[in-house]
Amino acid sequence: AQSVAQPEDQVNVAEGNPLTVKCTYSVSGNPYLFWYVQYPNRGLQFLLKYIPGDNLVKGSYGFEAEFNKSQTSFHLKKPSALVSDSALYFCAVRDIRVASGTYKYIFGTGTRLKVLA
Amino acid sequence: EAGVAQSPRYKIIEKRQSVAFWCNPISGHATLYWYQQILGQGPKLLIQFQNNGVVDDSQLPKDRFSAERLKGVDSTLKIQPAKLEDSAVYLCASSPRQGGTGELFFGEGSRLTVL
Repeated sequence: AQSVAQPEDQVNVAEGNPLTVKCTYSVSGNPYLFWYVQYPNRGLQFLLKYIPGDNLVKGSYGFEAEFNKSQTSFHLKKPSALVSDSALYFCAVRDIRVASGTYKYIFGTGTRLKVLA
Repeated sequence: EAGVAQSPRYKIIEKRQSVAFWCNPISGHATLYWYQQILGQGPKLLIQFQNNGVVDDSQLPKDRFSAERLKGVDSTLKIQPAKLEDSAVYLCASSPRQGGTGELFFGEGSRLTVL
């Protein structure tokens, strides 16, 4: 079964500095990977997705992510962090139910990003 | 385009009481998901519908949880009787169709507190 891991519960970064939120995956075949952001008392918002093809994916709000097959990673990055980027970030992978051929999405445990002014 | 609508946003009940959450997905979205998000954890799939049929309810505690999606549009998730450990945010999400490469669209969530 597919899975994702987010090894850091929290990441702190100073405003204006680059940020990285880590995600590693365990999949068979070509993965479809996603990043979502959750602000307090809100639902999850889609940021970006990787489908097999270009390894560097650009998404909303200046975020990007790099798919690295050799390291089985899909880290979320931003060149210059903003205080407003402070939120909970989830990595997710799409998995297939072999018996039915339908898809489900499996989420990581989340990483809390704090951007300090 | 209107997003996924959920209600109520917040609910506080005593244990052993019942509660119902409602979700209206984005118009035309065939697939609807209910996730449970316990504080400090990632969302966990409870049930997935394709139109009005159940695709996966393997993690739904069927002795107390039930869900339906009549007419393949909006959906209701019910808990009866509630336990303390059901305190969580219940997220509804939808997607245009099964498979594809698309992302999920989430509602704002319904936060349940069981006392």
